[in-house]
Amino acid sequence: EPEVTQTPSHQVTQMGQEVILRCVPISNHLYFYWYRQILGQKVEFLVSFYNNEISEKSEIFDDQFSVERPDGSNFTLKIRSTKLEDSAMYFCASSDGTQLYNEQFFGPGTRLTVL
Amino acid sequence: LAKTTQPISMDSYEGQEVNITCSHNNIATNDYITWYQQFPSQGPRFIIQGYKTKVTNEVASLFIPADRKSSTLSLPRVSLSDTAVYYCLVPGGGATNKLIFGTGTLLAVQP
Repeated sequence: EPEVTQTPSHQVTQMGQEVILRCVPISNHLYFYWYRQILGQKVEFLVSFYNNEISEKSEIFDDQFSVERPDGSNFTLKIRSTKLEDSAMYFCASSDGTQLYNEQFFGPGTRLTVL
Repeated sequence: LAKTTQPISMDSYEGQEVNITCSHNNIATNDYITWYQQFPSQGPRFIIQGYKTKVTNEVASLFIPADRKSSTLSLPRVSLSDTAVYYCLVPGGGATNKLIFGTGTLLAVQP
């Protein structure tokens, strides 16, 4: 069964450093998303991406964040200068977009720890 | 945006049927109701989706009354592995149907 994969599973970084989180969505999917979940809190929407551009972003997704689909398979989230409060699980998701309310498939997540 | 309300937690025993009810009083006419499951340290996983009456798949059933202001997720004969957080969602709006998660219901299944 196709699945979304994410690397690394765990990333530890120093405050102020740049990190890139990587995702490989399901191959025939058209819509891509990033969500995050701070420990013990809700899953929060960050950004959606379609047709090689951002479709929608939340208030959390400020200028420190960027997304890219550098090739036909990878979808990346970059945080330019990490802060302590960026520590969270980051989930990538994708959907095929063929139905209005279609299912989103989530990856296993990357746990980001900012020291 | 329609908001959902569900119990924070529920306890059950193995083999029992579990019903988790969600309120969505301001649901829009075209909105579907979707339920996701999340195990600790894993991404959410789609369980079931419906618009009205009853939907059943191999995992669960979803009951939606005529006024659609609430919905009930029914898990038949739960096992320990069903211990997870269950989220009731209605569309988050926008062009790409982002998912807006609430706090969910933590279901704890005991032996």
